[in-house]
Amino acid sequence: EVQLVESGGGLVQPGGSLRLSCAASGLTFSSFGMNWVRQAPGKGLEWVSHISSSGMPKFYAEYVKGRFTISRDNAKNLLYLEMNDLRAEDTAVYYCAAKVFDYWGQGTVVTVSS
Amino acid sequence: QAGLTQPPSVSKGLRQTATLTCTGNRNNVGNQGVVWLQQRQGHPPKLLADRNNNRPSGISERMSAARSGDTASLTIAGLLAEDEADYYCSAWDNSLNSWVFGGGTKLTVL
Repeated sequence: EVQLVESGGGLVQPGGSLRLSCAASGLTFSSFGMNWVRQAPGKGLEWVSHISSSGMPKFYAEYVKGRFTISRDNAKNLLYLEMNDLRAEDTAVYYCAAKVFDYWGQGTVVTVSS
Repeated sequence: QAGLTQPPSVSKGLRQTATLTCTGNRNNVGNQGVVWLQQRQGHPPKLLADRNNNRPSGISERMSAARSGDTASLTIAGLLAEDEADYYCSAWDNSLNSWVFGGGTKLTVL
């Protein structure tokens, strides 16, 4: 059974930083691309970033480019999202998703507020 | 970033058929195909159909996906109460180099 477990969310002040992690099991992690997708309270799904199976290339949504960095450790089956210069509009549940959105984690909540 | 267009809401009766649409352009839906996701209240999204319109294992045969030009559709036959959820489409946009999502359709089963 495929499992994706996100962690690292929390409350952070505007301008602050967080590092999200996604632990994968039950699939050959190093074979698949991974995505981060977020959902603001009461809103729809919004794609954030993609990383290919090898780690390159990486793609970002315009609204996070230059502030967020996606990375992965295939030896540890871990996906990361480093988030800097956080803004109120980044408040959301952040999901990691494997392959072409085949598998999803339960999400981790990020709240940006003073 | 430009997104895909989905009707905000659709209402149908039990055992009826609902067809949800998703419109993009030649750079995304028309070129790359669409995935369909279902999200029930309080749960993460679940894949219903991949870019080749195939259902993953465990997804009901009542759900079928199709595409014609720049518009994709998801048809749910014999509606059940459990089908009440939000439905999203998504496609890779090869001009933006990004995934784009539709705004979602809230399906209400009366």
